[in-house]
Amino acid sequence: GEDVEQSLFLSVREGDSSVINCTYTDSSSTYLYWYKQEPGAGLQLLTYIFSNMDMKQDQRLTVLLNKKDKHLSLRIADTQTGDSAIYFCAETPRNAGNNRKLIWGLGTSLAVNP
Amino acid sequence: DADVTQTPRNRITKTGKRIMLECSQTKGHDRMYWYRQDPGLGLRLIYYSFDVKDINKGEISDGYSVSRQAQAKFSLSLESAIPNQTALYFCATSDMDSPLHFGNGTRLTVT
Repeated sequence: GEDVEQSLFLSVREGDSSVINCTYTDSSSTYLYWYKQEPGAGLQLLTYIFSNMDMKQDQRLTVLLNKKDKHLSLRIADTQTGDSAIYFCAETPRNAGNNRKLIWGLGTSLAVNP
Repeated sequence: DADVTQTPRNRITKTGKRIMLECSQTKGHDRMYWYRQDPGLGLRLIYYSFDVKDINKGEISDGYSVSRQAQAKFSLSLESAIPNQTALYFCATSDMDSPLHFGNGTRLTVT
């Protein structure tokens, strides 16, 4: 069935780049998303990429999509302590139709050390 | 995201009690969703609604019911709460072509 996988933890030093990886199984995915969840808060949409794109950049965030390998990554440049959060990858399978049924990864907990 | 407001933020209740979680939005979106989040299990869809007259079950609807009172309001009820319904509950909204926008969640504890 459809599945999205992420590593559970990542630890980086402040100022370094962080790369959070995600793999998915549904080759017909239309949109792929990155959400951020800070403690005690809801999920905040960070960025998303349409499946016919390879890359999207937005300030410190770079999303790379490798459709052949079904691999999505989120790079955060100059990582700050405020970037410490859980990052969720999600995809919309093409067969989801209009119901926006997203397939979610379990989230990667990013710890930024001073 | 203040555009999607969930109440209460925290709730402790006892087994067997009926409780309602409320969600309201000012985004003007037609579609509303209820998810629950559990450690190690990620986000799971409980119910979703495309408009006021539309209600659909998600992956884990057993033990829950919903009511779409207006375009802007979508409430989730637990008819008889049980401890394994202890979780963080999120409401979300979207338009047909927009990503999901989430509220800040309701932390529910059933003792």
